[in-house]
Amino acid sequence: RKEVEQDPGPFNVPEGATVAFNCTYSNSASQSFFWYRQDCRKEPKLLMSVYSSGNEDGRFTAQLNRASQYISLLIRDSKLSDSATYLCVGRDGNKLVFGAGTILRVKS
Amino acid sequence: DVKVTQSSRYLVKRTGEKVFLECVQDMDHENMFWYRQDPGLGLRLIYFSYDVKMKEKGDIPEGYSVSREKKERFSLILESASTNQTSMYLCASSRDSGYNEKLFFGSGTQLSVL
Repeated sequence: RKEVEQDPGPFNVPEGATVAFNCTYSNSASQSFFWYRQDCRKEPKLLMSVYSSGNEDGRFTAQLNRASQYISLLIRDSKLSDSATYLCVGRDGNKLVFGAGTILRVKS
Repeated sequence: DVKVTQSSRYLVKRTGEKVFLECVQDMDHENMFWYRQDPGLGLRLIYFSYDVKMKEKGDIPEGYSVSREKKERFSLILESASTNQTSMYLCASSRDSGYNEKLFFGSGTQLSVL
């Protein structure tokens, strides 16, 4: 079983829609989590950190559920520019473990 | 803004060649990493370094070595390239190993081994 698993998608949504991705992790000792965004043929960039209490940044909300070992990312009022691959990342000691990514396509 | 620069965007090599991938960061970061990214597998850690002349194996170090002679430069070496090393290689750096360590990535090197 992979340490961090994501639904690869693609999620095809219309502009203005709300979309949510989940990510499960297998190592209960993982200390912190992140969402990175990767545009086509570009490098990943940090979108936001995920805290136990939740984290909101504008239209983006990240949640951590330690009991069920999953992380979620909610995007409200989707924009065309949100189209990208979203990478779920868990920290395991000195290492960051990346999921394979979820593809989001926002269409007009 | 932090800049992580990888020497080549695209590289084509032949099986058995020795390949050097160079990475330079300009923000005096302590930590540097090499990942490879393959469809459906995500980013996998090859090697990382927390200090000059220091290196640690990641999850898939076989067939690779690294060199960090200066703080700003971290090189990935394929001693004898093979076709299964065809991949996108991403270098990253970070300031420290803190709880919310943020990785800054280079733009990647797409390596094709023929």
